[in-house]
Amino acid sequence: EIVLTQSPATLSLSPGERATLSCGASQSLRSSYLAWYQQKPGLAPRLLIYDASNRATGIPDRFSGSGSGTDFTLTISGLEPEDFAVYYCQQYANSPWTFGQGTKVEIK
Amino acid sequence: QVQLVQSGAEVKKPGASVRVSCKASGYTLTTYSMHWVRQAPGQGLEWMGIINPTDGSTSYAQRFQGRVTMTRDTSTSTVYMDLSSLRSEDTAVYYCARDFAVRGVRNYFDYWGQGTLVTVSS
Repeated sequence: EIVLTQSPATLSLSPGERATLSCGASQSLRSSYLAWYQQKPGLAPRLLIYDASNRATGIPDRFSGSGSGTDFTLTISGLEPEDFAVYYCQQYANSPWTFGQGTKVEIK
Repeated sequence: QVQLVQSGAEVKKPGASVRVSCKASGYTLTTYSMHWVRQAPGQGLEWMGIINPTDGSTSYAQRFQGRVTMTRDTSTSTVYMDLSSLRSEDTAVYYCARDFAVRGVRNYFDYWGQGTLVTVSS
């Protein structure tokens, strides 16, 4: 089973700042099969990024994904108030599909 | 618009079984596979399995094999997830989540149900 490790666990930033979230995989992900989701309290996750760098429909361009192999990054170029949430990465290279433990982006 | 509407919260005793339903609207159920993902309180996400509504074929995560069954009723555009031999560690919010791919499988999820809280307690 592929283990995904997200860092940091918590990111304290102010609106307008840049957020950089990391996701490391225990083994290389073929074809960069990695997705990112945003989850707000009491709500279901929302797909942001797939195939490491492709934005899902309706996702603002301040969200971007990069990386390959075992190291992946989600960048939010300028935090809006609605971006404060928990972010999860998910790999779909090898079954079972697994998620990271999440990074909470909180208001500083 | 695509909607996945799940059944309501359940409270079960250890050893019992639970059924969670997920009714799809806004698209044809058989066009996309459906996954189930759960989230224990304050914890991360865990993939449980997938069903192809076209033929009912399934694939389950190994840790749930023998305890989980996923089925569908195409006449009502509903998929079901049954989990048996419940234990306290199964207390979680259970989500159905649609696969991204049309008539294929990509194993990431573009639409999610609202979640169903299953509480296992004696």
